[in-house]
Amino acid sequence: ETGVTQTPRHLVMGMTNKKSLKCEQHLGHNAMYWYKQSAKKPLELMFVYNFKEQTENNSVPSRFSPECPNSSHLFLHLHTLQPEDSALYLCASSPPLLAPRANEQFFGPGTRLTVL
Amino acid sequence: LAKTTQPISMDSYEGQEVNITCSHNNIATNDYITWYQQFPSQGPRFIIQGYKTKVTNEVASLFIPADRKSSTLSLPRVSLSDTAVYYCLVGGSGNTGKLIFGQGTTLQVKP
Repeated sequence: ETGVTQTPRHLVMGMTNKKSLKCEQHLGHNAMYWYKQSAKKPLELMFVYNFKEQTENNSVPSRFSPECPNSSHLFLHLHTLQPEDSALYLCASSPPLLAPRANEQFFGPGTRLTVL
Repeated sequence: LAKTTQPISMDSYEGQEVNITCSHNNIATNDYITWYQQFPSQGPRFIIQGYKTKVTNEVASLFIPADRKSSTLSLPRVSLSDTAVYYCLVGGSGNTGKLIFGQGTTLQVKP
C-alpha cells in the first residue's frame, strides 16, 4: 500500500466510449501526476498538477482530459480513444513542486486500459 | 533534461551484493539522481535519491562520484523478491517533479 489508490484497476472500452479514471491519495501531498506505460516502452509523463493547478501537459492528445478538483483527487477523462492508447495508466503524488522531496513520488497500482 | 544510460539487464544470485551503474554525462548543476524500483503490473516505488557523495537508507546505497556523471545503486544481499526493473532518473531540477524514465535495468535474482 503506497497511500495512492486508483480505480478501476482494469477497464475495457470501445473507441466511442467515454470513461474516467480516478486517483486518490491519502498522503497529504500537493502534487499529482498521470503517467502512461505502454508495453515495452518507458513510463511517459502526461500531466502534472501542483496545488490543483496544471503545470505540465506533455503534448498529450486532447482525447485525454485531466481534472484535479482538490489536492487529494485526480481524474483522467477519456473519450474517442484509439487502440494504441491501450496501456497501464499510473497516478502518482508527491510533496509540492520545489519542495525538497518533490522527486519522491508515490505511485498507485495503475489502471490497465484496453481500447477495442 | 539529462539522458541516462544503464544496462538493460543483470543477473545475480541470492545473498550477493548488486551494483547497478548509471551514466548521465549531461547532468545539470541542479539535477538530483533518483532511483526507482518497479515490479510487474505495479507502479514504480521510490528507492533513494542523492545529489553527491554517498547516500544510504534501509534499502540501498547510492554512490555518486565528484563529477556526478555517473551513479551506482548498491543493493546489499539481494533476495528473489528484489527481481524487478530499476530505473535511474536524473532531473527534477529545483525539485520540479518532472522525472523522465528510461528503459531501466531488469534485475533477475536467481536462487
